[in-house]
Amino acid sequence: DIQMTQSPSSVSASVGDRVTITCRASQGISSWLAWYQQKPGKAPKLLIYAASSLQSGVPSRFSGSGSGTDFTLTISSLQPEDFATYYCQQANSFPPTFGPGTKVDIK
Amino acid sequence: QVQLQESGPGLVKPSQTLSLTCTVSGGSISSGSYYWSWIRQPAGKGLEWIGRIYTSGSTNYNPSLKSRVTISVDTSKNQFSLKLSSVTAADTAVYYCARSDWNYVDYWGQGTLVTVSS
Repeated sequence: DIQMTQSPSSVSASVGDRVTITCRASQGISSWLAWYQQKPGKAPKLLIYAASSLQSGVPSRFSGSGSGTDFTLTISSLQPEDFATYYCQQANSFPPTFGPGTKVDIK
Repeated sequence: QVQLQESGPGLVKPSQTLSLTCTVSGGSISSGSYYWSWIRQPAGKGLEWIGRIYTSGSTNYNPSLKSRVTISVDTSKNQFSLKLSSVTAADTAVYYCARSDWNYVDYWGQGTLVTVSS
């Protein structure tokens, strides 16, 4: 299986801050990467697919970049509803595997 | 708008078989080129993809669980199901059913907690 790592594991930020989360794959996955947002007690929500494509309905303050093994999720201006845990997921091969998550909480 | 809803026992005894069903509404499970998947999440931990079934009926299982997992589909009821045999406490988790376009999950069920305990 392809192993996914994320950093940081948690970040404290304020409304309006720019937040960047990184994800690394244990082997090259081209652009086969997704980002999900999960709030407590809820199912994850797809934000970004194919490394940089914004899922329909997702605000444009979310953006993704990267290819190969290194990827980034950026929230350009953090909003109150963005406090959540974010997961990356490789979609290159089965089984798809997820990173351990990055919790974004209020500073 | 596609919606998915998990159903099944919330408590399963060790060594028994966990059985869950996912009912899909807002669209036919047979239409389109989608995979129908089961994903689980132990409390406070990350996500693990259990397996998936294609509209044709072909399946893919996570090798770590393959010997214990069966996923099936009932197109007449617009449902797909998960069976996980020989469960232990390590199988306690929130189980999600989901629709994926290749390996990107665009629709999720709300999740159902299954506890393995005697």
